[in-house]
Amino acid sequence: NAGVTQTPKFRVLKTGQSMTLLCAQDMNHEYMYWYRQDPGMGLRLIHYSVGEGTTAKGEVPDGYNVSRLKKQNFLLGLESAAPSQTSVYFCAVRDRGYGYTFGSGTRLTVV
Amino acid sequence: AQSVTQPDIHITVSEGASLELRCNYSYGATPYLFWYVQSPGQGLQLLLKYFSGDTLVQGIKGFEAEFKRSQSSFNLRKPSVHWSDAAEYFCAAGNQAGTALIFGKGTTLSVSS
Repeated sequence: NAGVTQTPKFRVLKTGQSMTLLCAQDMNHEYMYWYRQDPGMGLRLIHYSVGEGTTAKGEVPDGYNVSRLKKQNFLLGLESAAPSQTSVYFCAVRDRGYGYTFGSGTRLTVV
Repeated sequence: AQSVTQPDIHITVSEGASLELRCNYSYGATPYLFWYVQSPGQGLQLLLKYFSGDTLVQGIKGFEAEFKRSQSSFNLRKPSVHWSDAAEYFCAAGNQAGTALIFGKGTTLSVSS
């Protein structure tokens, strides 16, 4: 998954705590996405960005906020974590050839 | 609404046997189509993609997929499965506008010896 770095890789949160997941790309692409993966549900889009300073809601945006202050970074925030947000989170970047590169994922557990 | 359907949740195939994983899509126009594979605890690896042109697409690891517009399908095939192919497979659709990839719910492949 060269070019797309997600941090952290693992995290355990208590209900009500907040955290930010970072997706960083070194490929200078415009389009970035945050997905969550749950068993039997595939990947579902949370939020996405079509360029610096822009964000938009995806299929499952509730409970999450995002920011794209710098082109290279796409941040996903959980203001008040809930057990339902226990999931694996993937960031993706789309290149000009319509190829998608995924990060290695962040495994989040909310207890 | 746009959607991708993978009708089979779990498939078991004997090692050396052929494999076909089904994928159907519902999309406003001909989408860009992708197959990804995910091993347990790992990220997604692209197997192949279809944008246009030849409807039979070759990918990595000996996989191929055929786009059939009349059936809205993009099935993944492999002539001889290896034990290392056991994983979860995802079909996905996108478009030139680049809003996002839509994923199917996945098919888990088990390989028996």
